[in-house]
Amino acid sequence: KQEVTQIPAALSVPEGENLVLNCSFTDSAIYNLQWFRQDPGKGLTSLLLIQSSQREQTSGRLNASLDKSSGRSTLYIAASQPGDSATYLCAVRGTGANNLFFGTGTRLTVIP
Amino acid sequence: ETGVTQTPRHLVMGMTNKKSLKCEQHLGHNAMYWYKQSAKKPLELMFVYSLEERVENNSVPSRFSPECPNSSHLFLHLHTLQPEDSALYLCASSQVAGLGEKLFFGSGTQLSVL
Repeated sequence: KQEVTQIPAALSVPEGENLVLNCSFTDSAIYNLQWFRQDPGKGLTSLLLIQSSQREQTSGRLNASLDKSSGRSTLYIAASQPGDSATYLCAVRGTGANNLFFGTGTRLTVIP
Repeated sequence: ETGVTQTPRHLVMGMTNKKSLKCEQHLGHNAMYWYKQSAKKPLELMFVYSLEERVENNSVPSRFSPECPNSSHLFLHLHTLQPEDSALYLCASSQVAGLGEKLFFGSGTQLSVL
């Protein structure tokens, strides 16, 4: 069964810093990988989706990369802002499945 | 607003109660999902409906009973729950239940079982 790990579980950075969040998965036979943001007590908002044939996706200050063969993805956030404070979740979709396999997330705090 | 609305936002119930969670999507999607999010655990898929037919039941106990009367509405009926069922229950929708589709989530119902 696919297992998704996100390290660290929590991260605090001062405002303005660039940062990288990590995601690793055990089965490289994936269809795509998504990064989500979750604010406290709220649902998930999709940030970026990378298909298995792609290496990276960018949206504004966010850049997600995918190295399928090594089972890794990173989410790079440039010039972090206090509004970026949230939990970031990584999810992989296996081939032939209706399911997304989620990590437990990294809780990010950006300090003003 | 993501276009997926869940009610109620919070629910406290005893182990002998019967209650229902409601989800409505305003995105014109054809697939809807129930997920469970427990503290310090990954999200777990519970049920998937595609075109109002259940296509996945992920070994969920029978005390959870889903209902999808049309492509815009999804319910989760609860009865005789256990304290370990306390969690955030999230509804999601997508255009179709396909491999490349983005999921859009509601804000969830925070359930506490006493």
